[in-house]
Amino acid sequence: GENVEQHPSTLSVQEGDSAVIKCTYSDSASNYFPWYKQELGKGPQLIIDIRSNVGEKKDQRIAVTLNKTAKHFSLHITETQPEDSAVYFCAASASAGGFKTIFGAGTRLFVKA
Amino acid sequence: NAGVTQTPKFQVLKTGQSMTLQCAQDMNHEYMSWYRQDPGMGLRLIHYSVGAGITDQGEVPNGYNVSRSTTEDFPLRLLSAAPSQTSVYFCASSRLGSGGGNSPLHFGNGTRLTVT
Repeated sequence: GENVEQHPSTLSVQEGDSAVIKCTYSDSASNYFPWYKQELGKGPQLIIDIRSNVGEKKDQRIAVTLNKTAKHFSLHITETQPEDSAVYFCAASASAGGFKTIFGAGTRLFVKA
Repeated sequence: NAGVTQTPKFQVLKTGQSMTLQCAQDMNHEYMSWYRQDPGMGLRLIHYSVGAGITDQGEVPNGYNVSRSTTEDFPLRLLSAAPSQTSVYFCASSRLGSGGGNSPLHFGNGTRLTVT
């Protein structure tokens, strides 16, 4: 089955710096790669996603890149702000696999003011 | 706009007791799923469903049962609670995209379960 690995588990940056979180996946049939942000006491919320027919997607300060050959995808947050502090999860799913979404272990991001 | 509603928010069980975690969504989503979240292990898929009457196992299904009699509801049953089932449980739903593509998951706010 699908396995998603996420690094680092903890990331601390200064306000205004960039943050990068990396994930790898194992199932070559995976074709949808969402990223979620989880704040304390709440469920995860989608922040950006990318599909397998696209290499890069950007939404304001957030961007995601996908390398299907290497089976890895990354989240880039630029000009970080204290409110970006949260836990971030990458995930992968395959239409052919019954739409199961498998998550990475999460990255706790601290943005220091 | 309720989205995904989970009840209860908190629950304490004794070992061996059974209970049902409720999940309801009002977005007419075909896909529903249950995850458990444990420190350092992310979100692990327990069971999922692509429509009423259809369920399947995820990564960690043992000790849990599900059913999907309606589009809106997807309850998770713990048959005989064990301390290893102490966790935060999240229900999530999504539409099945056109052409069978995946769509973003919408999560509830979770149920924190403690088994003593």
